[in-house]
Amino acid sequence: GQQVMQIPQYQHVQEGEDFTTYCNSSTTLSNIQWYKQRPGGHPVFLIQLVKSGEVKKQKRLTFQFGEAKKNSSLHITATQTTDVGTYFCAGPWGGTSYGKLTFGQGTILTVHP
Amino acid sequence: KAGVTQTPRYLIKTRGQQVTLSCSPISGHRSVSWYQQTPGQGLQFLFEYFSETQRNKGNFPGRFSGRQFSNSRSEMNVSTLELGDSALYLCASSFNTPGGMSYEQYFGPGTRLTVT
Repeated sequence: GQQVMQIPQYQHVQEGEDFTTYCNSSTTLSNIQWYKQRPGGHPVFLIQLVKSGEVKKQKRLTFQFGEAKKNSSLHITATQTTDVGTYFCAGPWGGTSYGKLTFGQGTILTVHP
Repeated sequence: KAGVTQTPRYLIKTRGQQVTLSCSPISGHRSVSWYQQTPGQGLQFLFEYFSETQRNKGNFPGRFSGRQFSNSRSEMNVSTLELGDSALYLCASSFNTPGGMSYEQYFGPGTRLTVT
């Protein structure tokens, strides 16, 4: 069955508004990663979270890993048109990953100027 | 450091043919993973190689195969192509370890395969 659920599937915002995408897992994770894929591009690594309750910030982006290590979120403050793209969470679902990442379905972010 | 490179970037094949895609990882990365990306199924893991050994395999038919060379370059092959194999094939390299702990993956630009 589906191991990871990412919501929402789509998000349209006006430039300057905030944006959040959520990733929920049915199992506990050793770590979770976030990637961004621009239209026509390839996934680009943003961050990896490892510790329970971990919060990391990258400029306007804030990443959180849940206390139970089953969920994670990515929050963007004051979106800009450069934030457009699809945001994926990814993790080593199923134990030792050996290079395998299972990706969420992604959240497609559109930013209207 | 040079990024992950993939060749060719675009490919058009007909049903029943076979295709070989190539991936050169970032220097020093020994792990190479392959993914298929389609609008309907998203990003799906195909297989991973580390030091010329396949360590992990996704749920794809045996028509999909791969290999890794001693310089860490990798190839994947799809035989007897089907229309449903049309997709973006992404290669990702990682500084993975023999123990298998997951590190961040660096993706190449992908090969866009169209099967007609």
